[in-house]
Amino acid sequence: GQNIDQPTEMTATEGAIVQINCTYQTSGFNGLFWYQQHAGEAPTFLSYNVLDGLEEKGRFSSFLSRSKGYSYLLLKELQMKDSASYLCAAPLNTGGFKTIFGAGTRLFVKA
Amino acid sequence: DADVTQTPRNRITKTGKRIMLECSQTKGHDRMYWYRQDPGLGLRLIYYSFDVKDINKGEISDGYSVSRQAQAKFSLSLESAIPNQTALYFCATSDGTGVIQPQHFGDGTRLSIL
Repeated sequence: GQNIDQPTEMTATEGAIVQINCTYQTSGFNGLFWYQQHAGEAPTFLSYNVLDGLEEKGRFSSFLSRSKGYSYLLLKELQMKDSASYLCAAPLNTGGFKTIFGAGTRLFVKA
Repeated sequence: DADVTQTPRNRITKTGKRIMLECSQTKGHDRMYWYRQDPGLGLRLIYYSFDVKDINKGEISDGYSVSRQAQAKFSLSLESAIPNQTALYFCATSDGTGVIQPQHFGDGTRLSIL
């Protein structure tokens, strides 16, 4: 089958670094996306990986290993506003019009 | 103004009622989607559309129908609502060009069926 697994919840301290892991099983590979979703709001696109390695975007970085079916989102210098759910998503086909989403990892940032 | 607008934002209704959720976008995207989100589950695709009059079923289309009468508008209908359709519904769009395209979501409609 095709599925995405990620931890349900994580807690981290303001100013720290946190890594949110995602493992996926899909019949093909068309990239791996990360979205941020604050409670009661729309998911917003954060990053995507197509090739193995680390993609850095300010305080957020995303890593991909296609051979292991594994990705992680790294958040540095955590701020209270980073408290949100982080969704890992994998397009099932080129163009991404069928995408499976993980259930999301709810991150709590404490002072 | 939001690029992807959903109306209503909240709706409470009774079992058996017909409900329509509206979505409009100003992004000029060809592709539009309807998802539902339930606690502990990922976003699940209900229907998607590549263009006006083009309709495709997603993984959970039973009990739902959609209409794409204009490029900017994609509506979702529940013909006879049932309690297990209580969920948060999201409309999304994406550009039809390029290999990898992220999706852009509306703010959601919280639907409760009593």
